[in-house]
Amino acid sequence: AQKVTQAQTEISVVEKEDVTLDCVYETRDTTYYLFWYKQPPSGELVFLIRRNSFDEQNEISGRYSWNFQKSTSSFNFTITASQVVDSAVYFCALSNEDQTGANNLFFGTGTRLTVIP
Amino acid sequence: GAVVSQHPSRVICKSGTSVKIECRSLDFQATTMFWYRQFPKQSLMLMATSNEGSKATYEQGVEKDKFLINHASLTLSTLTVTSAHPEDSSFYICSASWGRDYGYTFGSGTRLTVV
Repeated sequence: AQKVTQAQTEISVVEKEDVTLDCVYETRDTTYYLFWYKQPPSGELVFLIRRNSFDEQNEISGRYSWNFQKSTSSFNFTITASQVVDSAVYFCALSNEDQTGANNLFFGTGTRLTVIP
Repeated sequence: GAVVSQHPSRVICKSGTSVKIECRSLDFQATTMFWYRQFPKQSLMLMATSNEGSKATYEQGVEKDKFLINHASLTLSTLTVTSAHPEDSSFYICSASWGRDYGYTFGSGTRLTVV
């Protein structure tokens, strides 16, 4: 069974602070994909990153970085020098491989990030 | 590229009426579409998976006669909430996949309020 745990329900930081959002996953599959999405107050889901299970390289994109550790089944997300516009709910999600090529995403419960000016 | 258009964005309806939500892939053929439901301050829960030309697969606990899903073409899937009740008030969001490269694109969501 697939499971994604985001233990941090809500986080508040002051603008310009760094913040790390934790994500721990469970799956029995050897091939799987991990995702992070941002959901601002307007509700739409904004894709941030997709990582497959064979690629443990960390990734940096501007102020965003991701740390994938298969040994601890974690895929943490760090925002450097946070800004007010980063305030949103962030979801970590997991998808496993399927012969049809498409499987649904299993979402964590989300972390609500508030950046205080 | 890979845009999914979802309409309406907000709808208020009276109890007992039916509401149709459309999810349209604009620049790609969506072989599979997923429908999620999100209660306030909660995560997204998969309701059903629809494949073009076949019946939708519903998750356990989701009433298929209440939440009718139609995926008649590779670019359009619809979710109809029949005989809506206030407890059906929620945020509904669709997602389309274009196949094995595991691309997922989400619609902008529909906030349904049943009064």
